[in-house]
This record gives sequence, C-alpha cells and structure tokens, in this order.
Amino acid sequence: GAGVSQSPSNKVTEKGKDVELRCDPISGHTALYWYRQSLGQGLEFLIYFQGNSAPDKSGLPSDRFSAERTGGSVSTLTIQRTQQEDSAVYLCASSLGRTTMGQPQHFGDGTRLSIL
Amino acid sequence: DQQVKQNSPSLSVQEGRISILNCDYTNSMFDYFLWYKKYPAEGPTFLISISSIKDKNEDGRFTVFLNKSAKHLSLHIVPSQPGDSAVYFCAASNPGTYKYIFGTGTRLKVLA
Repeated sequence: GAGVSQSPSNKVTEKGKDVELRCDPISGHTALYWYRQSLGQGLEFLIYFQGNSAPDKSGLPSDRFSAERTGGSVSTLTIQRTQQEDSAVYLCASSLGRTTMGQPQHFGDGTRLSIL
Repeated sequence: DQQVKQNSPSLSVQEGRISILNCDYTNSMFDYFLWYKKYPAEGPTFLISISSIKDKNEDGRFTVFLNKSAKHLSLHIVPSQPGDSAVYFCAASNPGTYKYIFGTGTRLKVLA
C-alpha cells in the first residue's frame, strides 16, 4: 500500500554540510509532522503542517532547521551547517487531520542521519 | 518539561503472560491518548487509542485503561507473544489540535 515514504533511508555527511530530507505523506492526509529520535531518546516533535495554515515550528531546535511543504503534499526538512548533535533518526508522519481528533499518525521508516 | 512520561525504560515478560505498560501525564486537558509500537529500523505503528471520556478501550489482545484522576494510562497485552517485542510509545493530544506529545518509550521483551 502507499504509506508514508521517506528518503533517503540513510544519510552520512560531514559536519558543516547542508542536508535535505524528504517526506511523501499518504495521499489525502492534510496533516504532516516531523520528529527526531536521538539514540536512546523518545520522539522529539520538530514541526507540524496542517492544510494551508501556518506551520507550528515550535519544536525546531535552532534556526539551522527549516521545513517546507509544497502543494500540501511533499515536505522537505533542511538542516544547514550540520553539527554532530544533529545525528538522529528523522521521522515523518501524516494523518487525516480533517475529521475527528485522535486521528492516528502514520509514520515513515525514517531517515538515519549521521554527521561525521 | 516532560508532559508525558514512561518511567519504565524496559520490561521483560514471559510468553503467554500479561504485559502492562504504563504512562503518566501532567496535563489534565489532554483529550486523546494513543499507543504506538516501534520495531528497530521502522517507523512507529498505531496500536490503539482512547478518548478522555472513556476509561477503557479494547482491541483483540490489546486493552488501554485510562485513570483520569491519577493522570495515568496503561496498555495491557494478553497473552503476550514474542512478536510483541518492540518499543512502545504513548502519546497525548490537546483539544482542538492535531499535535501529539510522545513519551520516551518502553522496550518490551517477550521471552519464549
């Protein structure tokens, strides 16, 4: 089935480089989320898009992090001037977001980012 | 400030017995609670949810209990199976939002 797709699945880059992570949500899902899971930690909320509303960026850890969602579908998370502490698994999720609250999120398998 | 807490980082249970995973929260305004299961190298998958107006929801081997006065919820898995071995996350949402706050997870190991 067409679940949430993330690419690349793994990314290794040198400190100081920029990286771009991509998320294709489930078709028709209006809500899209980015999370980060560092080693041994829980899911850390980064950013949330809902339809055409302004995104909730309250979880972005610094101004090196930014995200876009074009045409209400595909989203990219960009990390500029990467640091070693950015190493983590970046997870994208989408949900219907249109009907009743409590809609479960559907997650992709994540991008494992390693900063050397 | 951790609004959703899973105080047990790990749990081991014998196959066939009951697994009980716990979650505590601090925000009495949360209106939905969800449980997710996560295998290594995969994204979390939704298991079961409960609305704050209920105290129990059941789906097959999985039952979630909500105790609002104690701000506590638990996930019961009966009987536990080796395939249930995974990390379990609880999550909660505030009314009118689609934003979920996740706990740090509990690693369940079901021993054959």
